[in-house]
Amino acid sequence: SQQGEEDPQALSIQEGENATMNCSYKTSINNLQWYRQNSGRGLVHLILIRSNEREKHSGRLRVTLDTSKKSSSLLITASRAADTASYFCAVLPGGTSYGKLTFGQGTILTVHP
Amino acid sequence: DAGVTQSPTHLIKTRGQHVTLRCSPISGHKSVSWYQQVLGQGPQFIFQYYEKEERGRGNFPDRFSARQFPNYSSELNVNALLLGDSALYLCASSLPGTASGNTIYFGEGSWLTVV
Repeated sequence: SQQGEEDPQALSIQEGENATMNCSYKTSINNLQWYRQNSGRGLVHLILIRSNEREKHSGRLRVTLDTSKKSSSLLITASRAADTASYFCAVLPGGTSYGKLTFGQGTILTVHP
Repeated sequence: DAGVTQSPTHLIKTRGQHVTLRCSPISGHKSVSWYQQVLGQGPQFIFQYYEKEERGRGNFPDRFSARQFPNYSSELNVNALLLGDSALYLCASSLPGTASGNTIYFGEGSWLTVV
């Protein structure tokens, strides 16, 4: 079963606006990773945040992690049409030392030019 | 450097047949995982191999099997294919080391259609 749950399931915005996607999970984690997937393609790694970190930035991306609420958010600032894709959060559960990620259902982001 | 490479990219099989999917991890990566992604859903973990040993298995039937070779490449085998096995099969690789810092990289996937 899916551990992570993304919210919203779909998001439609105009170019230049910010997009925020949320992810909740159920167990303790080693880390949480965000991925982007263009239609029918593989997963592109965006950012990894460790369980002892609260915020990370990478270019136009900002990820926050609240382990007390078991939630994370991904903010994309100044969105572009090329950001249109599905976004997934994936957790590496605590006590797991290998690549056994648990994914959410994803958020479909559409950025209109 | 090459990323995670998978083959074939697309294939069509008939119910009851067998399929083998192949994956080459990023150079230096010793951990390989396999995921199934059904249309409209997030990927589901199938297997994880490290140093040629199975380190984890998801909730998939015994028709699914995998192995890792001495060069760390991997194969996923599915026997007695069902229509429900139609999906994108993703391979991922990562470095060994502390779990908290391990970025896991994915390939482009193999699209399997069962008819």
